Amino acid sequence: EVQLVESGGGLVQPGRSLRLSCAASGFTFDDYAMHWVRQAPGKGLEWVSGISWNSGSIGYADSVKGRFTISRDNAKNSLYLQMNSLRAEDTALYYCAKDRDPGPRFSWFDPWGQGTLVTVSS
Amino acid sequence: DIQMTQSPSSLSASVGDRVTITCRASQGISNYLAWYQQKPGKVPKLLIYAASTLQSGVPSRFSGSGSGTDFTLTISSLQPEDVATYYCQKYNSALGTFGQGTKVEIK
Repeated sequence: EVQLVESGGGLVQPGRSLRLSCAASGFTFDDYAMHWVRQAPGKGLEWVSGISWNSGSIGYADSVKGRFTISRDNAKNSLYLQMNSLRAEDTALYYCAKDRDPGPRFSWFDPWGQGTLVTVSS
Repeated sequence: DIQMTQSPSSLSASVGDRVTITCRASQGISNYLAWYQQKPGKVPKLLIYAASTLQSGVPSRFSGSGSGTDFTLTISSLQPEDVATYYCQKYNSALGTFGQGTKVEIK
């Protein structure tokens, strides 16, 4: 069974940093691209970033470009999101999601993890 | 960047009604479109990919159609368990973009 377990969320002050992790199991991690998708409280889904199987193709939403960095460690079956210069509008539930394909072009997402909550507030 | 626009933003229908949700792309995306269902308090779930292919395990009352810029998600007979927000997503690029969502409620 495919499992994606996010961690690293919490309360952080504006301007500070946070690193999210996603531990993957139940599939061959380095065969697939992976993504981060967020959902602000009461709002819709926003794709944040995606990374191909070999990290050769990476994309970011304009809202996080230059502040967030996605990475993966295939040896550890793990996906990461380094979030710097956090803003109040980054407050959201952050989901990790598995792509259908390895990349470089991204495909649909299935499945998704349960999410980790990031709250940016002073 | 290609934008995805869903309509309506919400709807209320009776059990057994046929429900249609529309997703429009700002540029042609062939059939590179997926639909997701998110029930209240739950994780999004893939319903349809390649515009019209039903994901395994999804009830046959759900169907998708369209190509190019205009797409639809249809629920042929709305059931109480279909109360959810539905999102379209375009893919086949280095960016992922979702529509703003359509909330479906029971009248």
